[in-house]
Amino acid sequence: DTGVSQDPRHKITKRGQNVTFRCDPISEHNRLYWYRQTLGQGPEFLTYFQNEAQLEKSRLLSDRFSAERPKGSFSTLEIQRTEQGDSAMYLCASSPPSGQSQFFGPGTRLTVL
Amino acid sequence: GENVGLHLPTLSVQEGDNSIINCAYSNSASDYFIWYKQESGKGPQFIIDIRSNMDKRQGQRVTVLLNKTVKHLSLQIAATQPGDSAVYFCAENIHLAGDMRFGAGTRLTVKP
Repeated sequence: DTGVSQDPRHKITKRGQNVTFRCDPISEHNRLYWYRQTLGQGPEFLTYFQNEAQLEKSRLLSDRFSAERPKGSFSTLEIQRTEQGDSAMYLCASSPPSGQSQFFGPGTRLTVL
Repeated sequence: GENVGLHLPTLSVQEGDNSIINCAYSNSASDYFIWYKQESGKGPQFIIDIRSNMDKRQGQRVTVLLNKTVKHLSLQIAATQPGDSAVYFCAENIHLAGDMRFGAGTRLTVKP
């Protein structure tokens, strides 16, 4: 499968715990994006990387959230001290150097109890 | 099954009919638009895109129309099939900006 992959697909955690999600973009896509989607809503932008550089962060990305893309390939999104309001689908997308099209992965569904 | 005017949250059509899903976008500076299809429990799937220098683009069974004057986008699906049942989102982007901005989505249900 040469599409965007995300791991894990589902995560259930208790409030206050830390969680980390991984995204592997399409090969040779230099841009990588994180979005959050709650039930019945469209995806909301969190942050994006061009190669290793994190170029933009949404105000939705509170201090408890951090994203990295250390080698310009896969990326991780960590949420510290999770809250019930963090329960959502976390989506990753990537796009090639030449275009604006963003291709999404299957998402990681987070449930905070 | 035609949804005229502002997009509605749900659209129900008969199998074989044509579907039209509408979207009003927000930013007159947006220069790139995508329609995504999202099935339950899955990530959004790219369907078709269009740049602001075009007003129509056709794919396989799908057509996107762009009216920049009124900031309106539509997706036409020909001969709608049960497999087309999903939530459809329009998304807009400004050149060199990172984020795609998504509309609220329209749930399309195809009745056999």
